[in-house]
Amino acid sequence: GESVGLHLPTLSVQEGDNSIINCAYSNSASDYFIWYKQESGKGPQFIIDIRSNMDKRQGQRVTVLLNKTVKHLSLQIAATQPGDSAVYFCAENRAGRRALTFGSGTRLQVQP
Amino acid sequence: EPEVTQTPSHQVTQMGQEVILRCVPISNHLYFYWYRQILGQKVEFLVSFYNNEISEKSEIFDDQFSVERPDGSNFTLKIRSTKLEDSAMYFCASSGGQANTEAFFGQGTRLTVV
Repeated sequence: GESVGLHLPTLSVQEGDNSIINCAYSNSASDYFIWYKQESGKGPQFIIDIRSNMDKRQGQRVTVLLNKTVKHLSLQIAATQPGDSAVYFCAENRAGRRALTFGSGTRLQVQP
Repeated sequence: EPEVTQTPSHQVTQMGQEVILRCVPISNHLYFYWYRQILGQKVEFLVSFYNNEISEKSEIFDDQFSVERPDGSNFTLKIRSTKLEDSAMYFCASSGGQANTEAFFGQGTRLTVV
């Protein structure tokens, strides 16, 4: 069935290292993708988005890569900091729809 | 910075009771949403609302649920007869009028049905 899912439930990195969080999606009609960060007890916080006509987009310390051939999305966080510790969700929507479909989340733990 | 605000932060209710969760979306946004997140699970779409009507809804959003924009600022989710399985975090979100723009989420209301 249609799904957006994450490969790893927990990722542990050392402070200062780069982090890579992966996400797979199954619907080729998906045309807009977002990464959200969720800290404990809070709502999802927008990090970065990418449209399907792009394969890379950079923000401050974050980069999102989109590989439409294999339906794969990744979030790269440079120089990971303790404040980056959270659950990260990928989400997608499809042309003509507003509803976001969320993946199951990856917990990022940053070790000092 | 504009933000989506939700009240209350925590609501405890008895099974079978009606609850109303309240949200104030970002003021110039046109699309409003409710999502829920059962503890430890992913965020699930419930409903989207545009131009004073529901534009999309999921299978979760059955006849027990309703949404309303009673005035120019509030957006509410009503659950008519709560069940134990309705216990979850409920997030309100809003987005602008253009397609494929990010949705901004509130801090959520934790609903506990006992």
